[in-house]
Amino acid sequence: IAGITQAPTSQILAAGRRMTLRCTQDMRHNAMYWYRQDLGLGLRLIHYSNTAGTTGKGEVPDGYSVSRANTDDFPLTLASAVPSQTSVYFCASSPDRSTGELFFGEGSRLTVL
Amino acid sequence: GQNIDQPTEMTATEGAIVQINCTYQTSGFNGLFWYQQHAGEAPTFLSYNVLDGLEEKGRFSSFLSRSKGYSYLLLKELQMKDSASYLCAVTDSNYQLIWGAGTKLIIKP
Repeated sequence: IAGITQAPTSQILAAGRRMTLRCTQDMRHNAMYWYRQDLGLGLRLIHYSNTAGTTGKGEVPDGYSVSRANTDDFPLTLASAVPSQTSVYFCASSPDRSTGELFFGEGSRLTVL
Repeated sequence: GQNIDQPTEMTATEGAIVQINCTYQTSGFNGLFWYQQHAGEAPTFLSYNVLDGLEEKGRFSSFLSRSKGYSYLLLKELQMKDSASYLCAVTDSNYQLIWGAGTKLIIKP
């Protein structure tokens, strides 16, 4: 089934540890996004990529990094996790950056202790 | 700044009609989107409005007034499975999606 796959689904992490959330899509979409969702705050954009080889910063990029080596993969890395990064992380994609119809992965629930 | 406002929570009765409002203030406008998100799940696309007026899709309709910076999502013949959060989002002049915090809709029998 075509779509977006995120891993892990859930993770508990000690503060200070490095963590990479994986995201893979098989729809050949050009644009990909990482959001975090916290209660009462809605979806906040962390980083995005308009096409393979390019990335950009969103609303809340500090403490996170991304790469886009190819069309399908868009991993998100927390270099040194802090408790404020406890959240649900969603990866999403769209055919191109001008399309507001996003396809979301199932989410990764991250708890930093 | 850019802002999208929608009610935090609404309650409605099974079989009834409910209207969820969304007002926005953004730098430019390239479209308004509604998404549905069931608890513990990912958001899924519901509707898209770029011109003024009503877009109907089965039991769901979405309305847009660009001059008023206003939209609503209308859900008819409510079913228990419609219990979810409904997210309003607007693409600005840079095609960046600006999201509202979502409206949690509770359906009672």
